[in-house]
Amino acid sequence: ETGVTQTPRHLVMGMTNKKSLKCEQHLGHNAMYWYKQSAKKPLELMFVYSLEERVENNSVPSRFSPECPNSSHLFLHLHTLQPEDSALYLCASSQVFSSNQPQHFGDGTRLSIL
Amino acid sequence: RKEVEQDPGPFNVPEGATVAFNCTYSNSASQSFFWYRQDCRKEPKLLMSVYSSGNEDGRFTAQLNRASQYISLLIRDSKLSDSATYLCAVNDPSGSARQLTFGSGTQLTVLP
Repeated sequence: ETGVTQTPRHLVMGMTNKKSLKCEQHLGHNAMYWYKQSAKKPLELMFVYSLEERVENNSVPSRFSPECPNSSHLFLHLHTLQPEDSALYLCASSQVFSSNQPQHFGDGTRLSIL
Repeated sequence: RKEVEQDPGPFNVPEGATVAFNCTYSNSASQSFFWYRQDCRKEPKLLMSVYSSGNEDGRFTAQLNRASQYISLLIRDSKLSDSATYLCAVNDPSGSARQLTFGSGTQLTVLP
């Protein structure tokens, strides 16, 4: 069983739709992250949760809304997205929220906005 | 200057060659450094941490040069399976020191 699982793997949605991305980690980690990866661009950190509390929000538009009901699950709720939001969305976890800790990534959700 | 910068490549090398990539970082106070590899349309996977004294894992050697503010990854006896994009990650003390900033990656293709 992989350590960090994301669903769905692929998502195509219109700009007016509402959808959610799900992430689950089976590693017993306390920190979880959402990243956006666009073509030819570096990973952009969107949100960080540590022990279910949001600790970082890197100027992400409000059309992205994270939720962390417990330390194993992380959601990203999507609403009224724009075409430039099409990207690979990666979830990651680490033992604690610290730059000394390596992050373990899920397979990602490839999102296309029509 | 970008916080973390990598030569995008592509680096095309024959099997068995030795290849090295660099990753420069802008903040001299950075303390944590990692190399990840990312296969096409897959997630990044941790390859190795970079320690200040340098470290080796099989065919892979990572080094840190604080004076010139870069880390390097050396791959010896490259295999076809080494073909991937290699991402460096550095913590950025100017923001939240606990966050990692990733480079755009260097693409490597090992040719038969």
